[in-house]
Amino acid sequence: GESVGLHLPTLSVQEGDNSIINCAYSNSASDYFIWYKQESGKGPQFIIDIRSNMDKRQGQRVTVLLNKTVKHLSLQIAATQPGDSAVYFCAENTPPGGYIFGTGTRLKVLA
Amino acid sequence: DTAVSQTPKYLVTQMGNDKSIKCEQNLGHDTMYWYKQDSKKFLKIMFSYNNKELIINETVPNRFSPKSPDKAHLNLHINSLELGDSAVYFCASSQASGGDKLYFGPGTRLLVL
Repeated sequence: GESVGLHLPTLSVQEGDNSIINCAYSNSASDYFIWYKQESGKGPQFIIDIRSNMDKRQGQRVTVLLNKTVKHLSLQIAATQPGDSAVYFCAENTPPGGYIFGTGTRLKVLA
Repeated sequence: DTAVSQTPKYLVTQMGNDKSIKCEQNLGHDTMYWYKQDSKKFLKIMFSYNNKELIINETVPNRFSPKSPDKAHLNLHINSLELGDSAVYFCASSQASGGDKLYFGPGTRLLVL
């Protein structure tokens, strides 16, 4: 199988608790941000996005918060389930059109 | 139907060989990308094409050459493979360059021996 990201920060939460995953971004000019979930052996999967004209956006069980002042992004997962176990990445857009990804956080859901 | 597909899924080869990875998207997107994910899960952009034109070419050895025959395909050819090329390579696409979410393929796991 795929090698394990031994240096990934890990967040362990109890099933049913809320999870908060944080991300600091680097480019003040970035105006679009995305959260991705990557399960073992799969490609990153879109969770939720937010544009810089918003501070908060909610989806189903997920909320993204954007603080442009301190260049901080967070993903909140409500009532975390075992299926939420994965590596989570934030991404910011950057000229001339690519996306820079954060280092990732491994979420472990404890039964 | 798979939105972004890549072949092969696994690629094991000897140092010095030349190999290609193919990518196709059926989403009608204008922009396609190649990303490399290392053993620490770090995702780094390599190339981006918009309507068959190269718009991003990060600091990647010139042994890596992308080719986009049409806007639905972006292939990656690698010459003279090295041990350090071992990684997972992801193709992705988006409708707009930098303003819309990326859709990723399942990845190609390359192991250079």
